[in-house]
Amino acid sequence: SQQGEEDPQALSIQEGENATMNCSYKTSINNLQWYRQNSGRGLVHLILIRSNEREKHSGRLRVTLDTSKKSSSLLITASRAADTASYFCATAYTGGFKTIFGAGTRLFVKA
Amino acid sequence: DTEVTQTPKHLVMGMTNKKSLKCEQHMGHRAMYWYKQKAKKPPELMFVYSYEKLSINESVPSRFSPECPNSSLLNLHLHALQPEDSALYLCASSPGPLSGTDTQYFGPGTRLTVL
Repeated sequence: SQQGEEDPQALSIQEGENATMNCSYKTSINNLQWYRQNSGRGLVHLILIRSNEREKHSGRLRVTLDTSKKSSSLLITASRAADTASYFCATAYTGGFKTIFGAGTRLFVKA
Repeated sequence: DTEVTQTPKHLVMGMTNKKSLKCEQHMGHRAMYWYKQKAKKPPELMFVYSYEKLSINESVPSRFSPECPNSSLLNLHLHALQPEDSALYLCASSPGPLSGTDTQYFGPGTRLTVL
């Protein structure tokens, strides 16, 4: 499969807790992006991290990238019920024209 | 306008029907995409247009026929579909020229059911 792998597949936490999801990919990349998808809706872009960056923040989101391990993590701090969604990492392999989506993590935040 | 719109929101069709899905964006983007997404799975790329030319066809069956009439519009014509084609069909756009590294802007999708 060309997909990246994400874990966990599903995550259930209480409101206020932090949520961490991980993504692994297979070959060298130019950048890695994270998208959110609310149930049955389109994807919304969250954050992009370039291959020469190690960490990036956006509001309650923190993304890390370890190119030596070919992995990335997305941390959502102080989660809210509205964060309930599926989260996908997306990579574009160096020289490639296609964006490949990971299998996704389904996050459920209980109020 | 930073929105990608898709019509219809829901579509139910028989296996002998012909129907079309429509996607529109007014962000001046020059790359447009069709994805198919099954439940609890990631989006799977079907087609990509760059500057109104078909750039990528992911070996999609001919019962799906894409069309890009102009830089703002993308259609997906459907004919003789199978029940397994039932899925959420997502349209996306990016600034272009085509690059896998661009951020894509997604529409809300069309939920297709084939009976």
